[in-house]
Amino acid sequence: SAVISQKPSRDICQRGTSLTIQCQVDSQVTMMFWYRQQPGQSLTLIATANQGSEATYESGFVIDKFPISRPNLTFSTLTVSNMSPEDSSIYLCSVVAVGYEQYFGPGTRLTVT
Amino acid sequence: GENVEQHPSTLSVQEGDSAVIKCTYSDSASNYFPWYKQELGKRPQLIIDIRSNVGEKKDQRIAVTLNKTAKHFSLHITETQPEDSAVYFCAPLRKTSYDKVIFGPGTSLSVIP
Repeated sequence: SAVISQKPSRDICQRGTSLTIQCQVDSQVTMMFWYRQQPGQSLTLIATANQGSEATYESGFVIDKFPISRPNLTFSTLTVSNMSPEDSSIYLCSVVAVGYEQYFGPGTRLTVT
Repeated sequence: GENVEQHPSTLSVQEGDSAVIKCTYSDSASNYFPWYKQELGKRPQLIIDIRSNVGEKKDQRIAVTLNKTAKHFSLHITETQPEDSAVYFCAPLRKTSYDKVIFGPGTSLSVIP
C-alpha cells in the first residue's frame, strides 16, 4: 500500500488566481496521476505526472491551465491557473502500486468565488 | 478509447439483503478489473479486484465475477450493512496502459437499516 498526503485539504480562491496542490507519497512510485471529481460525479483523469519529463494530459486538459511538476518519485504538484468558478471541484492525486491497484490522496476541495 | 458503464446508477436495499452492481466495458484487451468504494467526503479505496485469468474472487461479504466474453464484471455484496452505503466505481484497464484509466460513472448504494 501507499500513504499519500495532499496540501491544502481545502481552499477558497478568487477567480483569476492560481492554486498549487501538493501531493506527497511515502514511497517511491513510478506512476502518479491527478484526477478531478466534481460533486456527485465520477473521477476524471487530468494528467499523468512523469518523473523527469513533461506530464501527459488527457483530452480537455492543457498544460497552461494545469501545469504539473514531478521533481522526484515521491512528490508532485498540480497548479490550477487563472481559476474560474467552473474549476471548483475536488482534486485528487493517485499512485499505482506494484499490483496495479490505485491509492488516492485525501483530496483538495477547491472553491472558486 | 474505453467506454465504461455501470448499472444501476442508484441502488437501495434493506439491511441484510444482497446488492449487485454491474460494470460493462468496451476494450476487449482490458485485463485488470477493480472496484473502488467511496464513502461520502472520503477518498476512493480499492475493495476488491480480479485479473483476467480468473472468473470469480471472494473476500468475506464481497465478491467480483468476470465475464470476459461479454465484457462485463460485477460486484456482489451479501448481508449488506449500513456501512456499505457509498458510491462504488469500477475502473477496468489494460495493465500496460495505465495512463488510460477510465472510471465508471459510479453506483450509489444505500443500505436501509
